[in-house]
Amino acid sequence: DAKTTQPNSMESNEEEPVHLPCNHSTISGTDYIHWYRQLPSQGPEYVIHGLTSNVNNRMASLAIAEDRKSSTLILHRATLRDAAVYYCIPTGNQFYFGTGTSLTVIP
Amino acid sequence: NAGVTQTPKFRILKIGQSMTLQCAQDMNHNYMYWYRQDPGMGLKLIYYSVGAGITDKGEVPNGYNVSRSTTEDFPLRLELAAPSQTSVYFCASRRQGLIYGYTFGSGTRLTVV
Repeated sequence: DAKTTQPNSMESNEEEPVHLPCNHSTISGTDYIHWYRQLPSQGPEYVIHGLTSNVNNRMASLAIAEDRKSSTLILHRATLRDAAVYYCIPTGNQFYFGTGTSLTVIP
Repeated sequence: NAGVTQTPKFRILKIGQSMTLQCAQDMNHNYMYWYRQDPGMGLKLIYYSVGAGITDKGEVPNGYNVSRSTTEDFPLRLELAAPSQTSVYFCASRRQGLIYGYTFGSGTRLTVV
């Protein structure tokens, strides 16, 4: 299974963009990269996923490196409701969530 | 479409008691999972199932048992509860295939005293 490395914590000012990095250097060629977030006292929820190309949806954008060894989740304008723990999961590592990145949004 | 439903939401057990955490999904997902999350920590996989009649251990299976007699239900059994099992338990399901992600339940907060 692919191993991931994410910063333990990050801070952002409200209304500013946030770039959450993830290294997954052992990812296999068929693994999708999924991102989830967990709001306080809730279960994780799906954010976005991709394989090779950058992806956009209403919640976020996902930028995937050309060699696929890293990816970045982009929140274009952070809001207080985006304060959560963000998990990056290559689907070869589909069972294991790790500890993720705790995002603090400063008003 | 209810998604993944977990019951109960909260429970307090005494040491040595047993209980079953219920998990049901109505999305016809093949794969189902049980995770536990201790305070301030990430999720750890307890057991998973890739279909009815098939279960396998995850990272932290000791003290737990599961069964999967139907596609919809995946109960988690705690035998002889211990304080170390105080945690929040999440059930999740997904369709077969690497492109598909998880749908999580809202969790069961268990305290063993």
